Amino acid sequence: DVKVTQSSRYLVKRTGEKVFLECVQDMDHENMFWYRQDPGLGLRLIYFSYDVKMKEKGDIPEGYSVSREKKERFSLILESASTNQTSMYLCASIYGRMNTEAFFGQGTRLTVV
Amino acid sequence: GIQVEQSPPDLILQEGANSTLRCNFSDSVNNLQWFHQNPWGQLINLFYIPSGTKQNGRLSATTVATERYSLLYISSSQTTDSGVYFCAVEPNAGNMLTFGGGTRLMVKP
Repeated sequence: DVKVTQSSRYLVKRTGEKVFLECVQDMDHENMFWYRQDPGLGLRLIYFSYDVKMKEKGDIPEGYSVSREKKERFSLILESASTNQTSMYLCASIYGRMNTEAFFGQGTRLTVV
Repeated sequence: GIQVEQSPPDLILQEGANSTLRCNFSDSVNNLQWFHQNPWGQLINLFYIPSGTKQNGRLSATTVATERYSLLYISSSQTTDSGVYFCAVEPNAGNMLTFGGGTRLMVKP
């Protein structure tokens, strides 16, 4: 079975802190994604990566950056956390470019105070 | 970009009842998946179904790609079926999953 693991289930950070959310997948998938989920707004794509060191902006990249130094790991970085980044963050991975199934991690509920 | 609409937004059922959830999308897709989000927030894969019909126990799904919709059927619902059901599609033009707004299901004992 594919496993996508996010480093934390719950996280509380202070405004202005630099925050790292880590995601690791164990099935050699090429594509990895970060989404955030907010009530009433659904799931929105922040960034995705289709190869090591490659990244593309999603719908809401402002205030975030990403890093993919190894194929299995995709990190989401909040350079200076703000209260409006309090949200549920979900990481996903997909094997190929098209026509393949996506798998999600367990989610990280981030609170910025 | 592609639009994905799910209906109904909310659904309350008595245990044992059947239901149909619908997902409409505005453009051709390579990929369509149904997920169930559990109370802890994790998205659980239900079906990978870009076309055709699949069944898994009490759940089944049908996608009619030419008419741009998919249906998720839940039969003999149980309280553990409660949660939010999402449809997500990957447009032909790209490889990003776009989610619908979800259907929030509550099954009462």
